[in-house]
Parts: sequence; structure tokens; C-alpha cells
Amino acid sequence: GQQLNQSPQSMFIQEGEDVSMNCTSSSIFNTWLWYKQDPGEGPVLLIALYKAGELTSNGRLTAQFGITRKDSFLNISASIPSDVGIYFCAGQLRGATNKLIFGTGTLLAVQP
Amino acid sequence: GAGVSQSPSNKVTEKGKDVELRCDPISGHTALYWYRQRLGQGLEFLIYFQGNSAPDKSGLPSDRFSAERTGESVSTLTIQRTQQEDSAVYLCASSAQGDTEAFFGQGTRLTVV
Repeated sequence: GQQLNQSPQSMFIQEGEDVSMNCTSSSIFNTWLWYKQDPGEGPVLLIALYKAGELTSNGRLTAQFGITRKDSFLNISASIPSDVGIYFCAGQLRGATNKLIFGTGTLLAVQP
Repeated sequence: GAGVSQSPSNKVTEKGKDVELRCDPISGHTALYWYRQRLGQGLEFLIYFQGNSAPDKSGLPSDRFSAERTGESVSTLTIQRTQQEDSAVYLCASSAQGDTEAFFGQGTRLTVV
């Protein structure tokens, strides 16, 4: 199925470190969303972005909607053990229905 | 309800049997999505319902897969003649009209043996 390119695939970091992950596409998106998924759970929405260039924060999380509308990044500052999980980007294609396409995911492991 | 509810939470079925998975969206949400997530993989889009519009079925992998939605409420995803490669977590999400922020249920873990 159709998925966005997301990198890195996995990250293993020490508590307190900052983290950055991104999604890219050859298509233009209207909206970018970032989700976190814990084991055995459904994804939980973290941040929503609606305008090119928009930079939005949610606590230690910061995400940006790329100027070209084809990419987005998520930063996590001062990571803590509970940040462990899989992070997914999702985008709504420009001109399409509200169908959301998801990235391939970034597995984050944080060592105390 | 307060959130998206999916049932059953787990389903083990024999190869060749049909299964039905149910999703109750958040009350008032007109949009409903189904995704498939294989072990260790991302979310694969299956189908999208928006109000009374024709559903976007572009992600359904084969004609063994179908989904229905009753008005703006419950949806069922049906997989006929299940195969082992159908084993995955099936996730449902809903969003309010005109809003792309989708909220997920906990999923149904399907195991085909």
C-alpha cells in the first residue's frame, strides 16, 4: 500500500538526548500529522500541522510542515524513558479526499 | 462513546473462514478509516468513509476484503476466505467532518492459522 518515506527507521538513544525524525514524499500534502504508538495500542495523535512552514510545539515535541509541502520533521527534546514507542507521520494528499497516508514509522528506544 | 471502539480485540480464525471486524467511531464523527498493520510495519490504508459520499476503496488489497458503514455510525470490515497473510492488526480511526485529525481505536489483532 501507499506509504510515506520516514527516517530513521529506528533510534537508540540515552535519556536526555534530543531526537529528530522526518518524512518525505514526492506528493504535495495539505496536512501533516504526527502520531505515537505504544505496544498493543492504537496510534495517538501528537501534533497536527496545516500550513506550509508552520512550526508547532507540544511540550517537548516540535514539528514543522515543510515549505515545499512534501516533507515534515518531528523533534523531541530532552528524551525520557516514556518516549519509547513507534512514531508515525501521516499526510493528507492535496486535492484528494481526507484520506490519510502514513509513514513507515520510527522506532525510538531510550536508555535510562 | 468517548473514543473509537473496536471488537473483538483479538480473533483467531482458521484459514479459509470469513471474519467480521467491527468499529464504533466517536459519536458525531462523519469520517471513518480502516488500516492494516502487519507485525513491525507501518499503517497500510484500506478504506475511507466520509458521510454519504462513495467510500474510497483504493487500499483494499483484494476482492476478499470489503467494508460497510451504516450511516455515520458503526462500520464492519469483512475478510472472506482468510489467508495467513491476512494476519495483522486492523485499526479503525474516525474524524470530525472537515477535520483530518483522526483518532484511533486499539485495533483488532487477527491471527489466521
